[in-house]
Amino acid sequence: AQSVTQLGSHVSVSEGALVLLRCNYSSSVPPYLFWYVQYPNQGLQLLLKYTSAATLVKGINGFEAEFKKSETSFHLTKPSAHMSDAAEYFCAVGDSGTYKYIFGTGTRLKVLA
Amino acid sequence: SAVISQKPSRDICQRGTSLTIQCQVDSQVTMMFWYRQQPGQSLTLIATANQGSEATYESGFVIDKFPISRPNLTFSTLTVSNMSPEDSSIYLCSVEGQGENEKLFFGSGTQLSVL
Repeated sequence: AQSVTQLGSHVSVSEGALVLLRCNYSSSVPPYLFWYVQYPNQGLQLLLKYTSAATLVKGINGFEAEFKKSETSFHLTKPSAHMSDAAEYFCAVGDSGTYKYIFGTGTRLKVLA
Repeated sequence: SAVISQKPSRDICQRGTSLTIQCQVDSQVTMMFWYRQQPGQSLTLIATANQGSEATYESGFVIDKFPISRPNLTFSTLTVSNMSPEDSSIYLCSVEGQGENEKLFFGSGTQLSVL
């Protein structure tokens, strides 16, 4: 069965510092991997997705993630945090051809001035 | 991309009552999904709604508690029945894109508080 583990339910970074949010997955087949962001009182918005075309995936708002099969990881990074990045971030895994997406428990990012 | 309108955006309800949440999509989609996000937790799939057939419920969710309607290819409703404080959650409607757009699109959610 597929699963997703997000290490760190809360992460704090200073404005301008590197953002690193960790995600490890478990899947028996090459997965689709996603990062979603949820701002307060809003639904989820897709940041980026991995579909095997390239291991380094660039998303919106300066975020990117690297798929590392040997580590079964798909960590999300951003070189320089901005106050507007404060939100909750969810990693998700889905099988191609199915509709079932498994979400991680989320990481709440706090950006300090 | 798909634009999803969900309402109400939030509600405060009394124990024992029911609330129906509406989800409208700006394009025709085969499947619509209902998720629950309990406080401090991740998203859990409640059920999948196909047009013209009964919804498919995930383990731990039953039709009597969460009846779903899917009258056409752009609309669905989720009812939370006989509510208790444990039902206080965010309920999210979503649809899946196709092909290159394969990903989940989400509505803005309904924040439900049960007193």
